Amino acid sequence: GAVVSQHPSRVICKSGTSVKIECRSLDFQATTMFWYRQFPKQSLMLMATSNEGSKATYEQGVEKDKFLINHASLTLSTLTVTSAHPEDSSFYICSATAGTGRGNQPQHFGDGTRLSIL
Amino acid sequence: AQKITQTQPGMFVQEKEAVTLDCTYDTSDPSYGLFWYKQPSSGEMIFLIYQGSYDQQNATEGRYSLNFQKARKSANLVISASQLGDSAMYFCAMREPRIKAGNMLTFGGGTRLMVKP
Repeated sequence: GAVVSQHPSRVICKSGTSVKIECRSLDFQATTMFWYRQFPKQSLMLMATSNEGSKATYEQGVEKDKFLINHASLTLSTLTVTSAHPEDSSFYICSATAGTGRGNQPQHFGDGTRLSIL
Repeated sequence: AQKITQTQPGMFVQEKEAVTLDCTYDTSDPSYGLFWYKQPSSGEMIFLIYQGSYDQQNATEGRYSLNFQKARKSANLVISASQLGDSAMYFCAMREPRIKAGNMLTFGGGTRLMVKP
């Protein structure tokens, strides 16, 4: 159980293109989803916390107009990288938890999206 | 100050031997939780093991065990009988529910484990 699906797994596109990444919880309802960015050989950097039915909470230094997050339902959150440029190339990964997140419930991660902007 | 510190950027271990990956943490939340994740080169994050701050016993999950030393604020991951498939990045992470709402995790910098045949 607790499967998170992330799509697409890899994107290669031209500079100036907007790219949408989907994150779905397949067998549980996720009140909260998280979006991370990971540079090569580095740790995960939290970009934003996505709450169903409300605006996302962005971490300091993350441009909300650049990285649009929509959490339209309890099973789907999307991250749109608007007008992507080469410096936006990175590995983006989402996660979700079921319930309130108390106790030992881990975050369940998608398989990530490798974004390459030419 | 770093919330989660993993001091070993890279480690080698011989196949079938045990290995310990270090993790120290810093928090004022008495109800914290500690997680270990494995990230193979393909990128997915695989949950391995959890330790709650109030748990009396060290967590174990198959070949994974957590050496939890609360007074020293350390939560080292022990992998017994290493296998070639254990080669990956390993991340220690902490949840502080009374400080950071909504089940947020703070990740350490990671340790790259390489298992030698």
